[in-house]
Amino acid sequence: GAVVSQHPSRVICKSGTSVKIECRSLDFQATTMFWYRQFPKQSLMLMATSNEGSKATYEQGVEKDKFLINHASLTLSTLTVTSAHPEDSSFYICSARPRTINEQFFGPGTRLTVL
Amino acid sequence: KQEVTQIPAALSVPEGENLVLNCSFTDSAIYNLQWFRQDPGKGLTSLLLIQSSQREQTSGRLNASLDKSSGRSTLYIAASQPGDSATYLCAPYSGTYKYIFGTGTRLKVLA
Repeated sequence: GAVVSQHPSRVICKSGTSVKIECRSLDFQATTMFWYRQFPKQSLMLMATSNEGSKATYEQGVEKDKFLINHASLTLSTLTVTSAHPEDSSFYICSARPRTINEQFFGPGTRLTVL
Repeated sequence: KQEVTQIPAALSVPEGENLVLNCSFTDSAIYNLQWFRQDPGKGLTSLLLIQSSQREQTSGRLNASLDKSSGRSTLYIAASQPGDSATYLCAPYSGTYKYIFGTGTRLKVLA
């Protein structure tokens, strides 16, 4: 089946630093990748949609300058949390949509803790 | 804008019971609907995917139904086990290529 990986799985950083999270589709080409965040005991909220080679589309209320998304290739998207603050601490999950089917495959998630 | 509601929000049952988890969504223009399981602190595990043209899908003790016109889906779990304890999320997949997740049902099956 289609596999999506995320790296790192867990990261702890100091307030004010930037953190990069990678999302890779391992055995398929993903024309579109999605980034979600999940606060404790809440559901997943879509942050942004990224298409290979073009700018990401952010959902309402998501700061594009704070959450930088780059989708440089058909198998890799990165989310950079800039100048991270404790309120950015969350579980970030990516998903990838293959070129030919209407389905998304999810990564295992990244737990970000900002001290 | 798609809105997804899951009922009940939490459920605690003794082992062996048959369960029904409900999902309702406001926009019926969907490609498919997927049910996921999430264990605490973990990512998503896909359980069942129902295409918009289908009425139900089965996998082992799980059966999911879809009534697209009324905006409803149910997940039926037969003979529940403690290992079924998790949060169950439904997510309709729309023409904007977005999964919108429901609020989830936190299930606890007691041994």
